[in-house]
Amino acid sequence: GQQLNQSPQSMFIQEGEDVSMNCTSSSIFNTWLWYKQDPGEGPVLLIALYKAGELTSNGRLTAQFGITRKDSFLNISASIPSDVGIYFCAGQLEPGGTSYGKLTFGQGTILTVHP
Amino acid sequence: DAGVTQSPTHLIKTRGQQVTLRCSPKSGHDTVSWYQQALGQGPQFIFQYYEEEERQRGNFPDRFSGHQFPNYSSELNVNALLLGDSALYLCASSVGTSGANVLTFGAGSRLTVL
Repeated sequence: GQQLNQSPQSMFIQEGEDVSMNCTSSSIFNTWLWYKQDPGEGPVLLIALYKAGELTSNGRLTAQFGITRKDSFLNISASIPSDVGIYFCAGQLEPGGTSYGKLTFGQGTILTVHP
Repeated sequence: DAGVTQSPTHLIKTRGQQVTLRCSPKSGHDTVSWYQQALGQGPQFIFQYYEEEERQRGNFPDRFSGHQFPNYSSELNVNALLLGDSALYLCASSVGTSGANVLTFGAGSRLTVL
């Protein structure tokens, strides 16, 4: 099935460093979402973006909805050990109604933070 | 307030068998979506149920079927299991006409097909 192209696939960083990951698609999305998944858990929403060009922050996390509506990035500043996990981007194609449940996910970025 | 609960958490089946996975949505949610997450991959949309009807379906064969009950809980059934069906099956609930930002995922059911 269709998936978004997410990069990098994995990152190994030192505590305190900043992190950047991005997602691209050949399709236009109306909504971009960023999730984090810990082992044995389901994805948890970090940030939701609804307008092209939108820049949204959630604590140390900042995400942007690309102006072409085909890409998005997520930045994490001053990483800490609990940032470890798998980060997924997801896009929603159709607007309105019950179609909001249908998300297309990227392959994920595995983040490891060394103390 | 319980979130999305799924059962069983783990199960092992053999090829050709059938499996039923269950999901109880978050309190106040009436829409249930199912996703398949293969190892090392992102979740892939299987289908969505609202008002006891399948509303949308992803690119999955008819071996995958579902049901939603009047209390909004849902089941995912997979027939004639293949090795490639081994995955984490995630249930997500939401309010019918709300945006994707209110999707709540369960912890999943890990299916292993031998």
